[in-house]
This record gives sequence, C-alpha cells and structure tokens, in this order.
Amino acid sequence: GEDVEQSLFLSVREGDSSVINCTYTDSSSTYLYWYKQEPGAGLQLLTYIFSNMDMKQDQRLTVLLNKKDKHLSLRIADTQTGDSAIYFCAEKGTGFQKLVFGTGTRLLVSP
Amino acid sequence: ETGVTQSPTHLIKTRGQQVTLRCSSQSGHNTVSWYQQALGQGPQFIFQYYREEENGRGNFPPRFSGLQFPNYSSELNVNALELDDSALYLCASSLGDRGGGEKLFFGSGTQLSVL
Repeated sequence: GEDVEQSLFLSVREGDSSVINCTYTDSSSTYLYWYKQEPGAGLQLLTYIFSNMDMKQDQRLTVLLNKKDKHLSLRIADTQTGDSAIYFCAEKGTGFQKLVFGTGTRLLVSP
Repeated sequence: ETGVTQSPTHLIKTRGQQVTLRCSSQSGHNTVSWYQQALGQGPQFIFQYYREEENGRGNFPPRFSGLQFPNYSSELNVNALELDDSALYLCASSLGDRGGGEKLFFGSGTQLSVL
C-alpha cells in the first residue's frame, strides 16, 4: 500500500539551511509534493517534482528525488523565522486521484 | 492566497447531528477534492469530484457524501456525526482530467468540533 514517512521535528538557527526528509513506498508515484502549513491555516503548495526528475530548484527551495531509494528531500536555504511551520510531503500515483500525505515535519527556526 | 474559499471556518456540532461544509474552487478549476486532517496528522483523502461526478473515494464510510455543482463549487455532507469526526476539513481544487491534475490548491479549511 501507499505510505509516506517523515521525521517529526527539526530545529535550526536563522540563516542556516534546513533539510527535511521524506520516504515513500509507492513505486508508481508520478508527482511528489511539498506543502507548508502554518498554525490554523490550510496547506500552501511550495513546490512539486515529476518522478522522472532528480532535482528541482525554486529560489531558496531545492527538491532532491532519489527514485531508487524512494527518498525525497526539501532544502531551504537561508532559513528565516517565517519559515517556521509544518511541512508535509505527499505523493500522487499513476491513475490515482488522491494525494497521500506524510504526518508532517515541524520546523522551528530560532533567531 | 489560493483562490479556494471554504465556509464556515469553524463549526461546533453534537454527536448524531448532520453537517454541510462548502467550498468554492479556484476560477477555471474543474476538480474538487476533500481531505480530513485530524489533530497532529497529515490530511487523509475523502473523495474527489470531477465535472459533477464522484471520481475516486478514500476509506471513509457512506455517511460522508458530497456534491459538485455546475460552477464547480462543492459540498461535503457528514451524517450521524461521531466524536472522531472532529478534524480540519480541507478542500482542494485543481484543473485536470480524471487523474485530477498535478497541482492541488487548498483552502484554509473548516475546523469541525463534535461534542
């Protein structure tokens, strides 16, 4: 079945890089996503990658995909206090309409 | 700002009651998905509507039902509410075919509390 796993918590200092990791089980995943959720809010789509890509960069965000190991990571450069939030990894399989989400990684950025 | 709006933002119901949650999708989007997010968990897929028809369903009982209207707005109805239905209900819209499209944009959600 489909399963997406993330570490629960990450703490960094302002200005450092943050790396949030995710593993998934569905080998037929077509797209993989990173969403951000701030307290009391919905999900904000940060970035996504098609499964035939290894890397995608978007300003401070870099997504790396290792399809062989089914491992996805999100690197945030020059992390700011405003980046403090919960980050969800999600995958979408072939022919499936749904996204399967991990339980989220809480990122805390201290000044 | 995603252009996806949900109402109401908060709701309190008692066990056994029925509830209707509403979602207006982003302009031009033809697909709406609903997700349930329990406290401390990731969102779980409830179902998706594409051009007014249910187009996929997660592991939720039949008392969870929905509608999509010709303007692509949507409703989620839950009958016979249970305490475990307390959660944040998220609506997402996308543009695509029956596969649902690749980019899903979420609303801010409706926080439902069942007492």
